[in-house]
Amino acid sequence: DQQVKQNSPSLSVQEGRISILNCDYTNSMFDYFLWYKKYPAEGPTFLISISSIKDKNEDGRFTVFLNKSAKHLSLHIVPSQPGDSAVYFCAASKGSGGSNYKLTFGKGTLLTVNP
Amino acid sequence: KAGVTQTPRYLIKTRGQQVTLSCSPISGHRSVSWYQQTPGQGLQFLFEYFSETQRNKGNFPGRFSGRQFSNSRSEMNVSTLELGDSALYLCASSLNQGTYNEQFFGPGTRLTVL
Repeated sequence: DQQVKQNSPSLSVQEGRISILNCDYTNSMFDYFLWYKKYPAEGPTFLISISSIKDKNEDGRFTVFLNKSAKHLSLHIVPSQPGDSAVYFCAASKGSGGSNYKLTFGKGTLLTVNP
Repeated sequence: KAGVTQTPRYLIKTRGQQVTLSCSPISGHRSVSWYQQTPGQGLQFLFEYFSETQRNKGNFPGRFSGRQFSNSRSEMNVSTLELGDSALYLCASSLNQGTYNEQFFGPGTRLTVL
């Protein structure tokens, strides 16, 4: 039972354009969502997060949108740069305090930004 | 500030053996989590330790165990290795302050079971 789904295994965009990565979840108890970027042979790098009390969070070129009614979140990267080429993972957790350290990950989306 | 470090980075073992992996969290971080990454299953949560106690546990068999020391360093042990245990094992640490906390990952240990 995959509770966090990234339905696009790959995405290719041109440098300077917008990259939109999507993520769907099924567990309505999830209340904290994170995006990670991963290069080969490295661990995931934290990018941005959002709690369920918000619908948008922005950090530089990265913006995460959360639509709770649709159980959907998306990561926007504007403008996209070749160095953004990596696998992007969506992750979710539930509860506060000690119980929100169990992250449930999607399978990832490979983003390729072409020069 | 130094990031999460994991040792060793690569390991080759044979079926039936046991293995111990080590993780040093970011200074000041008291929560350490472990994840397994495989091509088929993706990233899956193993367990999380805080103040030397296992606080959260994933759905892995008892062959997978861990512990945390008083300095927050953590070890993960897998006994009676199986071929399917071949994976990238990732450790993540977190500050454990406030309601929500980001987890910061180490580079991982690549375990190959022959």
